[in-house]
Amino acid sequence: QVQLQESGPGLVKPSQTLSLTCTVSGGSINSGNYYWTWIRQPAGKGLEWIGRIYTSGSTNYNPSLKSRVTISVDTSKNHFSLKLNSVTAADTAVYYCARVEYCGGDCYVFDYWGQGTLVTVSS
Amino acid sequence: QSVLTQPPSVSGAPGQRVTISCTGSSSNIGAGYDVHWYRQLPGTAPKLLIYGNSNRPSGVPDRFSGSKSATSASLAITGLQAEDEADYYCQSFDSSLSGWVFGGGTKLTVL
Repeated sequence: QVQLQESGPGLVKPSQTLSLTCTVSGGSINSGNYYWTWIRQPAGKGLEWIGRIYTSGSTNYNPSLKSRVTISVDTSKNHFSLKLNSVTAADTAVYYCARVEYCGGDCYVFDYWGQGTLVTVSS
Repeated sequence: QSVLTQPPSVSGAPGQRVTISCTGSSSNIGAGYDVHWYRQLPGTAPKLLIYGNSNRPSGVPDRFSGSKSATSASLAITGLQAEDEADYYCQSFDSSLSGWVFGGGTKLTVL
């Protein structure tokens, strides 16, 4: 059973960089035809897709965040990471990592999620 | 504003049937991209409920079903139970944004 666990600081100061890591257990991050992705959810609001990475290192980002986001993968540590720079209070949210499974054609689905980690942007 | 539009809330009595709509456009659902549904219980991560428009992952009861037509999709829940109270999200791909998009979420209340 694949499990994902987010880790990182829960408090980040405005204008600084938010850094989170998602550690994958129960399987190799390299195995299978999967993307790995980050999603966030401000309190009381809906889900927002941040970006994705393939184990080759190929990335795609939400256009609204593209200028500030970097997602990377370290296959030797079986984890992938998120960096979001120049944060403001609007970036305060629960951040989730998830595995994206290919389900045929243009179908990709978020089949396993981490429990989420709250990141607050405040001085 | 979410790219996919869902009603903010729906409700139903135990045993009843409810549906949740997800309306998109020609760059996402209307372009033929699959729709997936997730259920989020309070304080927990979303969990996959329906994938590929109408398929249930192992372990999801057949009370849950999905459908898609033109630029919209629907999630139907029959035999409503108290534990179905949750937030439900639809998700697809948008070619204009070249990325995945979610609906704004629908809160289901079991009366």
